[in-house]
This record gives sequence, C-alpha cells and structure tokens, in this order.
Amino acid sequence: GQSLEQPSEVTAVEGAIVQINCTYQTSGFYGLSWYQQHDGGAPTFLSYNALDGLEETGRFSSFLSRSDSYGYLLLQELQMKDSASYFCAVSPYSGAGSYQLTFGKGTKLSVIP
Amino acid sequence: NAGVTQTPKFQVLKTGQSMTLQCAQDMNHEYMSWYRQDPGMGLRLIHYSVGAGITDQGEVPNGYNVSRSTTEDFPLRLLSAAPSQTSVYFCASRGQASNQPQHFGDGTRLSIL
Repeated sequence: GQSLEQPSEVTAVEGAIVQINCTYQTSGFYGLSWYQQHDGGAPTFLSYNALDGLEETGRFSSFLSRSDSYGYLLLQELQMKDSASYFCAVSPYSGAGSYQLTFGKGTKLSVIP
Repeated sequence: NAGVTQTPKFQVLKTGQSMTLQCAQDMNHEYMSWYRQDPGMGLRLIHYSVGAGITDQGEVPNGYNVSRSTTEDFPLRLLSAAPSQTSVYFCASRGQASNQPQHFGDGTRLSIL
C-alpha cells in the first residue's frame, strides 16, 4: 500500500518562504504531485515530479528524492492568497496505475501579515 | 470550456434514501474518478474508470456504485444513504499522459440525516 505524511498545519509570514514536506511509504510510483485547495473549493494542480530533482513554476517549486522517500513544495514570496491546504499525492504502480492518485492528508498553510 | 461539472452542489438526504451524483467532463478524458473528502482525511478514492464501459473500485467503494456508458459522464450512485456517507464528493478527470494533472469538479456537499 501507500502512505504519505505531511505536517497538518504550517504558519508563515507574508513575503517569506515556506517549505511543506511530504514523506511517503510506497512500493513504487510514477510521480509525486502537489495540489492546492482553498476552503470550500476544488483541488487544483500545482506541480508534478516524475524524476528526482527540482521543478520550478513561478513562485512554486517542488522537489523529489526517491532514494530518501521524500519530497517538498517550496512557496516563495508568500502572499495572503496562498493561505490554503496543500496535498501531496502519488500515482502508484498498482490499481489504475499512473491515472490513480493516493493523497496525503494535507497541510493547512496560514499566511499572516 | 466547462471542464468537470458536478451536480448538485449541495444535497441533504435521509438515511436509507438513494441518489445519484452527476459528473460530466468535456475534455475527452479517458480517466475519471470519484473521491470523498472528510475533515483530516484528505481525499480518498471511491471508484474510477479508465474508459467507457470500464470501472473499478478504489480505496473506499462500499455503499457506492458507478457506471461509465459514455466518455463524458461518470455518475456516482448511493444505494442506501448512511450518516457515514456525509462528506464532500469530488469528481476528477485526466488525460492519458502520466504527467497530466487531474481536473476536479467543484464538489458536491452531501449531508445524510
């Protein structure tokens, strides 16, 4: 099976940098994804790491190390609108394969002035 | 471009009632799935489909049925509603490539009394 661990809550100051970690136990997976969800909204895609290393998309970066079973999402120049829940997810080799996502329980990020 | 459309947005049922949550996508995606989201639990996969006529169970399938008669539609049926099925339900779709993101609908907030 698969399990993903994330901190439940993180608080950071507007303009700062915050890192949200995701550690996982899985028998194998295609890639690690990150999704953002504002209160009352739908999850929206942020990034995907198929290979080890850093992927950068604007203010957001995501990192994966398969050897360490670890990934993180890095948010730079934090804005108030970044206050949301962030989920890491893996696409396991089992089940529907690359189509399927198994989610962590999410990290609620609060950005304060 | 509507993306993934879910109806209804809100629903209240009595224990034992049945109902169908509707999901439609206009992106010609082969893969569609249903998740439920409960506080502190992240998103858990209920059922998924990799194409018309093909469905399979996810992590929490009990009490739910699905069918996939067309590429566009993937309804979720609650056979006999129970209070434990009170949740927010999200439908998602995805294209074929493994690095494609899942597109989520806005969710259906379901309360079972």
